[in-house]
Amino acid sequence: EVQLVQSGAEVKKPGESLKISCKGSGYSFTSYWIGWVRQMPGKGLEWMGIIYPGDSDTRYSPSFQGQVTISADKSISTAYLQWSSLKASDTAMYYCVRLGSGSHDPWGQGTLVTVSS
Amino acid sequence: NFMLTQPHSVSESPGKTVTISCTGSSGSIASNYVQWYQQRPGSAPTTVIYEDNQRPSGVPDRFSGSIDSSSNSASLTISGLKTEDEADYYCQSYDSSNQGVFGGGTKLTVL
Repeated sequence: EVQLVQSGAEVKKPGESLKISCKGSGYSFTSYWIGWVRQMPGKGLEWMGIIYPGDSDTRYSPSFQGQVTISADKSISTAYLQWSSLKASDTAMYYCVRLGSGSHDPWGQGTLVTVSS
Repeated sequence: NFMLTQPHSVSESPGKTVTISCTGSSGSIASNYVQWYQQRPGSAPTTVIYEDNQRPSGVPDRFSGSIDSSSNSASLTISGLKTEDEADYYCQSYDSSNQGVFGGGTKLTVL
């Protein structure tokens, strides 16, 4: 079964750093792009960026360029989304999704990030 | 900036057919594939249509997707509506820089 399993919910303070993960299984992790999507409370889906774990080619949506870092470790089939200094406005649910020709699924179960002083 | 516009909400009765539109702001919507995602309350999105009109395994054939170049829009049609289809639906495609773009989402009410 093809799956993406994300790390658990996080509660952080403003200014703290954070790295969340998305582990793929059941398929060749290096052969598909992984996308990251933000959903703020009560709002719609926002495209953050994508990474190709095979060669770490990474592309950011202009709205998120410089705000987050997307990376991957193909040796453990895991993609990451990280912040160096969180803001309250980063409070949201974050999803990863497998992308590629013939596929735009599955989605991870989501990671809730809460940033509050 | 390339944008996708969806109606905020639609409603229909069980057993009926509903169509949700997704209109591209510029260029040709046929230039890049369109995907459709279903998100039930409190759950992660799931893919119901990819590459304009393809269904992932497990998605019933009540769900279908199409492209209309004349109106520069994509459509998701759900036939034989069931109460379990009540959810938010998002279209998604790519702009000229291959950046992903989502529509604003449509809340489907089945009543």
